[in-house]
Amino acid sequence: AQSVAQPEDQVNVAEGNPLTVKCTYSVSGNPYLFWYVQYPNRGLQFLLKYITGDNLVKGSYGFEAEFNKSQTSFHLKKPSALVSDSALYFCAVRDVTGGFKTIFGAGTRLFVKA
Amino acid sequence: EPEVTQTPSHQVTQMGQEVILRCVPISNHLYFYWYRQILGQKVEFLVSFYNNEISEKSEIFDDQFSVERPDGSNFTLKIRSTKLEDSAMYFCASSLGRQGAVGYTFGSGTRLTVV
Repeated sequence: AQSVAQPEDQVNVAEGNPLTVKCTYSVSGNPYLFWYVQYPNRGLQFLLKYITGDNLVKGSYGFEAEFNKSQTSFHLKKPSALVSDSALYFCAVRDVTGGFKTIFGAGTRLFVKA
Repeated sequence: EPEVTQTPSHQVTQMGQEVILRCVPISNHLYFYWYRQILGQKVEFLVSFYNNEISEKSEIFDDQFSVERPDGSNFTLKIRSTKLEDSAMYFCASSLGRQGAVGYTFGSGTRLTVV
C-alpha cells in the first residue's frame, strides 16, 4: 500500500535561515510525489512534484525538494525562509495502483519567525 | 490556467439536513475526486469517479454520501443526513488521465459547518 509520513508536526525557523520539512514515503513501483501548501482558511496549493528525472525538483515560491530513492525521502527545502512561508505543508503520493487517488501525509506546520 | 471551481465556498447547515456540494472540474478531465479535511488535520480521500461510476471509495464514504455527474460539467457530493462530525473542508479534484503527471488539480474547497 502507498503511504507517506511527515515525522514533524511543527517546524520552527528564523527568517532568512534555510528550512527543511521532512517526508518519507512507501510505494510499490515508481513514486509520484508532491508537496502542497495550505494557508489559513485556504485551499490546497500545488508547490512541486517528482515524477521522474532529476532528483532535485524546483517549484513555486523558491521551494525545492530532493528525491532520495535509497532513503525513500522527499524533503522540502528552501534556502532562505520568509515569514510569509508560515503555513501547513502536506507531502503526498499518488496511488498509481488503484484509482489514482492522492494520499496525503498528516501535514507539518511551519512557523517562520521574524 | 484552468481551474477546478467549487461552490459554495462556505455552507452552514443544520444537523440532519441534506447538503449538496458542487464542483466544476476542468473541462477535458476524465477522473474526479472528493477529499475531506477536518479543520487543521489530514486531508483524507473520500471517493474517485470515472466513466459515470465510482472507481474507489474510502471507509469514510458510507451510505450517507453519494456522488453524481448530472451533466457534462458538474460533479456533486451529496450528504443525505448531515452529522456534526461532517463539518470539514471538502475538496474536489480532477485529473486528465491515470498517469500521475498529467494535470491533477484541486479546487479551493467548500467549508461545511453542521450546527
